[in-house]
Amino acid sequence: QVQLVQSGAEVKEPGASVKVSCKTYGSTFSNYFIHWVRQAPGQGLEWMGTINPSVGSTSYAQKFQGRVTMTRDTSTTTVYMELSSLRSEDTAVYYCAREPTNTGWFDPWGQGTLVTVSS
Amino acid sequence: QSALTQPASVSGSPGQSITISCTGTSSDVGGYKYVSWYQQHPGKAPKLMIYDVSNRPSGVSNRFSGSKSGDTASLTISGLQAEDEADYYCSSYRTSSTFVFGTGTKVTVL
Repeated sequence: QVQLVQSGAEVKEPGASVKVSCKTYGSTFSNYFIHWVRQAPGQGLEWMGTINPSVGSTSYAQKFQGRVTMTRDTSTTTVYMELSSLRSEDTAVYYCAREPTNTGWFDPWGQGTLVTVSS
Repeated sequence: QSALTQPASVSGSPGQSITISCTGTSSDVGGYKYVSWYQQHPGKAPKLMIYDVSNRPSGVSNRFSGSKSGDTASLTISGLQAEDEADYYCSSYRTSSTFVFGTGTKVTVL
């Protein structure tokens, strides 16, 4: 059974960067994409972007272009999402989720990582 | 990049049926079969309930069904139960290798 396990909560100051990890258990890096979705407190889900872990290609939401970088480490089946120039509005729970290649659906999801941006 | 439009809240009594709509455009919901629905309980990660407009993953109750007409997708929950009380989100593929979620709907079981 595939499981995604994310890194722990982070507290960052405005202007800093944060890097969240998402490790895949029970599967290799083949035949799927990893997506990142965030949810601000009391708000809805927001798609941030995706990475093909096999080849490292990425696609980002226009809103985050220039501020987000998604990478992977094939030796540890771990994907990373780094968000820079943090501001208070970036306070949210960040989720990773798996999409079997070109299926358009996300399952499973990681447990979520709370990132708090505060001075 | 606007979100898909869902009603903020829908409610029903136990045993009743409710329907949640998800309206987009021809660039997302209307143009692709890649519409999915997610259930989210407070403090939990979302759970896939419907994929490819109307397909249920194994383990999801057959009380959940999905459909699409034009630019609007719908999720119907029949035989409403207390455990169905949660937030529901639709998602669609959008052109240029991107995805978009709906605004979310809070379902209340009266």
